[in-house]
Amino acid sequence: SQQGEEDPQALSIQEGENATMNCSYKTSINNLQWYRQNSGRGLVHLILIRSNEREKHSGRLRVTLDTSKKSSSLLITASRAADTASYFCATEPAGNTGKLIFGQGTTLQVKP
Amino acid sequence: DARVTQTPRDKVTEMGQEVTMRCQPILGHNTVFWYRQTMKQGLELLAYFRNRAPLDDSGMPKDRFSAEMPDATLATLKIQPSEPRDSAVYFCASALLVGEQFFGPGTRLTVL
Repeated sequence: SQQGEEDPQALSIQEGENATMNCSYKTSINNLQWYRQNSGRGLVHLILIRSNEREKHSGRLRVTLDTSKKSSSLLITASRAADTASYFCATEPAGNTGKLIFGQGTTLQVKP
Repeated sequence: DARVTQTPRDKVTEMGQEVTMRCQPILGHNTVFWYRQTMKQGLELLAYFRNRAPLDDSGMPKDRFSAEMPDATLATLKIQPSEPRDSAVYFCASALLVGEQFFGPGTRLTVL
């Protein structure tokens, strides 16, 4: 079953603009992760934020987590054409299982 | 450069045939996951193992799918008999207990 719902489903921006993707989930979590998938390839881990963290940065990525609203956002700043991909949020339900539940993803197109 | 490998990368078969997909997790990772990705359902967790023992296979159709880890370096996913609705990309991922998962390149299965 899908726990995460992502918004928007698709996003098209110009190079240099910022891209924001949102994720909502339903149950208590240990952590929330964001993954990227280029067409026809496996997923690549981008960033992990724990349930007791509110914000995390990694290079041009900024992730926020609001556990009271059960939501997260991923911001990619100064986007590049190479950022074109699908982005998925994944939640690890509370209980230390290591299992992840993925959202449906946001397809990002960055136009040069 | 440690990575998850999967074979075959592409498989075309006829309905009713047996299909076996193989995965070699990253050396030292003790948790292995099998996912299926389709346009309609997105990324679904089929089964996962920790220290070679199955922890959860509730996402897997039991009548035709089976997953095993004969040893720490090999995970297999078998479909017998295959059906057209099994057509999808099957991903294996490995992790060290919890947290970030490392995905393989996937096996694209087409059942005619």
